Amino acid sequence: DTGVSQDPRHKITKRGQNVTFRCDPISEHNRLYWYRQTLGQGPEFLTYFQNEAQLEKSRLLSDRFSAERPKGSFSTLEIQRTEQGDSAMYLCASSTGQGATEQYFGPGTRLTVT
Amino acid sequence: DAKTTQPNSMESNEEEPVHLPCNHSTISGTDYIHWYRQLPSQGPEYVIHGLTSNVNNRMASLAIAEDRKSSTLILHRATLRDAAVYYCILRVPRDDKIIFGKGTRLHILP
Repeated sequence: DTGVSQDPRHKITKRGQNVTFRCDPISEHNRLYWYRQTLGQGPEFLTYFQNEAQLEKSRLLSDRFSAERPKGSFSTLEIQRTEQGDSAMYLCASSTGQGATEQYFGPGTRLTVT
Repeated sequence: DAKTTQPNSMESNEEEPVHLPCNHSTISGTDYIHWYRQLPSQGPEYVIHGLTSNVNNRMASLAIAEDRKSSTLILHRATLRDAAVYYCILRVPRDDKIIFGKGTRLHILP
């Protein structure tokens, strides 16, 4: 257990529905990251926050995706109008400081879109 | 971003040392070499990192070639729990995100 928790661990939804995932980072970490991982691939960066500010978004993050970290603590990732191609593991990580510091990953939320 | 090249998979026997290679021929002077691993059904976890000198910690050792164009992650005595995908990653201090490749899937034989 790294101290980063994610909820839910698994989500099955029908195409077109909206889903929201939550990530609780290690409490003293001011950086929070979202990644997506499909089968057989390494995780791909989606976006990250420093405190409540969203500092970078990947081109992978389409308009249907939105992430927030309103009080600089937990974060949510929402996917609107889900598509089958959104099926993946969504990973959250947190770190302290800036730059290439160690990131601590949560167990992920596995999304299946039917 | 500088890229790394790793074998797709490797096998090793339990209780023997494992040497996981990584090539990074286009590494720049400010790139740190990081290793993460991902156990089945878990998120990645940090293993070790280094810049120029060899590094040791409780999990592993990192041997870095003198020209820095390759490195080797060494697990001194593999256990079944070390079966995972191992990612070799180059990171610059200014870059906060991690760019993962496909990594090496390590199988440990009992």
